Amino acid sequence: AQTVTQSQPEMSVQEAETVTLSCTYDTSESDYYLFWYKQPPSRQMILVIRQEAYKQQNATENRFSVNFQKAAKSFSLKISDSQLGDAAMYFCAYRSAKDGRAQKLVFGQGTRLTINP
Amino acid sequence: KAGVTQTPRYLIKTRGQQVTLSCSPISGHRSVSWYQQTPGQGLQFLFEYFSETQRNKGNFPGRFSGRQFSNSRSEMNVSTLELGDSALYLCASSYYPGGNTEAFFGQGTRLTVV
Repeated sequence: AQTVTQSQPEMSVQEAETVTLSCTYDTSESDYYLFWYKQPPSRQMILVIRQEAYKQQNATENRFSVNFQKAAKSFSLKISDSQLGDAAMYFCAYRSAKDGRAQKLVFGQGTRLTINP
Repeated sequence: KAGVTQTPRYLIKTRGQQVTLSCSPISGHRSVSWYQQTPGQGLQFLFEYFSETQRNKGNFPGRFSGRQFSNSRSEMNVSTLELGDSALYLCASSYYPGGNTEAFFGQGTRLTVV
């Protein structure tokens, strides 16, 4: 079974600074997908960024980028120019590609990010 | 375009009762999955449906069940409620299952068992 570990329960950063959230995962599969989701106080999970394991190039979405290290099974999220609206719980998630039509996401425990003005 | 709608938003039930939660996916989405979120266990997968068929089930007791209707709306049912069932139940929908498709989440149903 796959597992996802987020070793930082809480992180804080000054507004406009850069912060990196860590995520490691364990799997015996070679093909899979990785995601970072954000959960603000409204509780609604919002997709931040996604990465296909077969792609070596790291995904980027505006101020959000990932450092995907497949051999190390590491998938960290970097937030540049942090904004107050970035404050939320961030979850790293794994989806297997073994069953091409499986929707199941395996989540890490989450990292609570605080932005200091 | 309306997002994923979960009803009710809040629910208080007594131990031993049963409860039904509803999820209306985004229009056109045919895949629905359910998750339980608790402070201790985090986010755990319950089950997923596509075209009215349960495709995958998480490691939960048989008291947890679900179904999907022809209009893709889904319900989950928990019978003989226990205190440990208190949680936020999240529903997610996507156009089709699998791949790197984005799962859109609802705001959840907060269930409290007393």
